[in-house]
Amino acid sequence: GENVGLHLPTLSVQEGDNSIINCAYSNSASDYFIWYKQESGKGPQFIIDIRSNMDKRQGQRVTVLLNKTVKHLSLQIAATQPGDSAVYFCAESGGATNKLIFGTGTLLAVQP
Amino acid sequence: DTAVSQTPKYLVTQMGNDKSIKCEQNLGHDTMYWYKQDSKKFLKIMFSYNNKELIINETVPNRFSPKSPDKAHLNLHINSLELGDSAVYFCASSQGLGGTQYFGPGTRLLVL
Repeated sequence: GENVGLHLPTLSVQEGDNSIINCAYSNSASDYFIWYKQESGKGPQFIIDIRSNMDKRQGQRVTVLLNKTVKHLSLQIAATQPGDSAVYFCAESGGATNKLIFGTGTLLAVQP
Repeated sequence: DTAVSQTPKYLVTQMGNDKSIKCEQNLGHDTMYWYKQDSKKFLKIMFSYNNKELIINETVPNRFSPKSPDKAHLNLHINSLELGDSAVYFCASSQGLGGTQYFGPGTRLLVL
């Protein structure tokens, strides 16, 4: 697929394990953070978001943690499944135009 | 029921040609975007329009000209295509500048 040969940071996990994908963001003024999932050949798909007045938010099988002190964001996926295999991007935004700035992406490879 | 759609999905063309990519969203959103994703999967915003008004223009060459005939459409015209324009171009839309952005499937442009 499109991800073959890419030199993205890669996280390889066994099916059923929990996954943690980390992201460092750059702008301390950012107040909105989003995680996107991009499967091979498709567009980024919204997973979960969090605003800067929170430090944790949970969705279905996913949890986002925000540590503003060290400008760190993480995505936890519980009971990882083969369908979770994709590139995961964190994104930050803030300011008048709310421009989204994307991180470099992490390739999650789930081994059956 | 595609929410954000783009045409064409693939575009192969010669250097120096002029081409257009079209984007339509049926989500009722008032804000639309164009992003470029390079071969390393780096995703960067190019333009955003809110209610047909240009909000973000990220130092993109003048050869790129977005046009928004109405709130549901944002097209991208590229003049004098160069090799470096080869990339995947994604359209996205949101409700308001701070709303969650939903992405289209992408247009894979290859300039020969």
